[in-house]
Amino acid sequence: AQSVAQPEDQVNVAEGNPLTVKCTYSVSGNPYLFWYVQYPNRGLQFLLKYITGDNLVKGSYGFEAEFNKSQTSFHLKKPSALVSDSALYFCAVRDVTNAGKSTFGDGTTLTVKP
Amino acid sequence: EAQVTQNPRYLITVTGKKLTVTCSQNMNHEYMSWYRQDPGLGLRQIYYSMNVEVTDKGDVPEGYKVSRKEKRNFPLILESPSPNQTSLYFCASSSETVPTYEQYFGPGTRLTVT
Repeated sequence: AQSVAQPEDQVNVAEGNPLTVKCTYSVSGNPYLFWYVQYPNRGLQFLLKYITGDNLVKGSYGFEAEFNKSQTSFHLKKPSALVSDSALYFCAVRDVTNAGKSTFGDGTTLTVKP
Repeated sequence: EAQVTQNPRYLITVTGKKLTVTCSQNMNHEYMSWYRQDPGLGLRQIYYSMNVEVTDKGDVPEGYKVSRKEKRNFPLILESPSPNQTSLYFCASSSETVPTYEQYFGPGTRLTVT
């Protein structure tokens, strides 16, 4: 069975500081990895993905993530946080060999303080 | 505008009264999926469909039915709703053509079963 772990329910950072939201995964085959963001009272929006190729992927709003196969991690990062980045972030995985199953983490609430 | 639509957006119903939540996408996506979001539990996959007439169970399919008779539509059916199905429901779709796979989400349906 595939799984996603987001070990931190909450991450607090000051505006202008770098941020990291952690994600580890478990799949039997090769993973497709995704980050989504949910703003209050809104649906989910796609941020970035790793399908194949370069381990460092860049996405919307200045976010990036690094795929680390040996550590089975896909941490979300941003060099300089904005107050407007405050939201709920979800990591998700799809197994290449069973791409229909899509598993999300429990989510991490990011709060950026001025 | 490319989008996933869900109806209704809000629904209050009583135990045992059959209901259907509609989902439609205008992006010609092969893949569609239903999720429920509960506090602290992230998104859990209910059912998914890789294409027309092809559906499969996700992690929490009990009490739900789906059908995929047309590529654009993927309705979620609760034949006898119970209070534990009170939740926020999201429909999503994606293209299965590499290198996409990211999911586009509808605005959500907040269901209350009393």
